[in-house]
Amino acid sequence: NAGVTQTPKFRILKIGQSMTLQCTQDMNHNYMYWYRQDPGMGLKLIYYSVGAGITDKGEVPNGYNVSRSTTEDFPLRLELAAPSQTSVYFCASSYPDPRTSGSVTGELFFGEGSRLTVL
Amino acid sequence: DQQVKQNSPSLSVQEGRISILNCDYTNSMFDYFLWYKKYPAEGPTFLISISSIKDKNEDGRFTVFLNKSAKHLSLHIVPSQPGDSAVYFCAVTTSGTYKYIFGTGTRLKVLA
Repeated sequence: NAGVTQTPKFRILKIGQSMTLQCTQDMNHNYMYWYRQDPGMGLKLIYYSVGAGITDKGEVPNGYNVSRSTTEDFPLRLELAAPSQTSVYFCASSYPDPRTSGSVTGELFFGEGSRLTVL
Repeated sequence: DQQVKQNSPSLSVQEGRISILNCDYTNSMFDYFLWYKKYPAEGPTFLISISSIKDKNEDGRFTVFLNKSAKHLSLHIVPSQPGDSAVYFCAVTTSGTYKYIFGTGTRLKVLA
């Protein structure tokens, strides 16, 4: 029962390098999200998607890009890594909550996280 | 500007006693509220939720209370167990927006 799978789990980047964090879910969820968690801070929403081909910015989108070509995959791209992007990144997925006639997402299912360090 | 605040970064409670975790929000448009628990090196996991049409929701040892007029949410854990030691996040959303805003978290330590 895989759920939400993120790769890699750990990565060290040099300033200016690029990389993609991969996220896959096997629950056929419509909604997918990328959050980052900095030490002592809560989870900040970077980008989210309500379905294949549809993405939107969250609270802290600068320096990141996303795409959603399939229901299952939601990769997060860092184009020019900066030390401020050192963080733990979490991917999550969700579904329309039937108890709310679909107007609210159900609970988020999170991956285990990807720890990124930019030096 | 922090829309969701958990003003206590940490809390220590004796095993068997009640743990009360608090969350305050600023926007009255938020109408669905959740609590998540996070262990080190793991992703957050869902605990309990409440809709704005209710003021209380219970699930076993966990109860969430919502005070809409005060824009305040709380999670009660009774009785607290050492396995409850984790970081707890509240999360809020507005119907139709499909995204959650998280608080800063409270680290709960239950002492045996």
